[in-house]
Amino acid sequence: EVQLVESGGGLVQPGGSLRLSCAASGFTFSNYWMSWVRQTPGKGLEWVASINQDGSEQNYVDSVKGRFTISRDNAERSVYLQMNSLRVEDTAIYYCARDMRSPHWGQGTRLTVSS
Amino acid sequence: QSALTQPASVSGSPGQSITISCTGTSSDIGGYNYVCWYQQPPGKAPKLMIYDVNNRPSGVSNRFSGSKSGNTASLAISGLQAEDEGDYYCSSFRSYGSSNTWVFGGGTRLTVL
Repeated sequence: EVQLVESGGGLVQPGGSLRLSCAASGFTFSNYWMSWVRQTPGKGLEWVASINQDGSEQNYVDSVKGRFTISRDNAERSVYLQMNSLRVEDTAIYYCARDMRSPHWGQGTRLTVSS
Repeated sequence: QSALTQPASVSGSPGQSITISCTGTSSDIGGYNYVCWYQQPPGKAPKLMIYDVNNRPSGVSNRFSGSKSGNTASLAISGLQAEDEGDYYCSSFRSYGSSNTWVFGGGTRLTVL
């Protein structure tokens, strides 16, 4: 069974940093693109970033470019999202997703950016 | 403003059929057959209902079907059931400069009357 378990969310002040992690199991992790998607409170979904199978290609939504970095460790079967210079508008539930063409989602981890 | 446009709400009675539209551009829906539909129950993660425009994952009822015409994708649900209530989102691959990106619709609240 495919499982994605996110962790690392919490309360951070504006301008702060945080790293989210996603542990994968139940599939050959190194064969898939991995992504982060977020959902702001009461609002819709927004794709944040994706990384290819060997980590050599990353793509980001414009609003996080230069602030967020997606990475992966295939040996650890994990994908990460390093978030710097956090803003109030980054407050959201962050989901890890396998392969955006036919994604399997984790249950999400909540990030709150507030002073 | 979301990248893809969905109606805010749709409704139908049990047993009826409804359709939810998702309108984009030639850079996303119109240019690629990478459209997904998700159902999101309150407080839970989205569940994939349709991928690659019209394919159902294993376990999804054949009452759900997807299609695309030009820059607009559609999700049809036949034989509405109370359990179908919830929020529905579409997504599409979008080619943006030299980047591969993904965009979502703003979501549609389905109410079963």
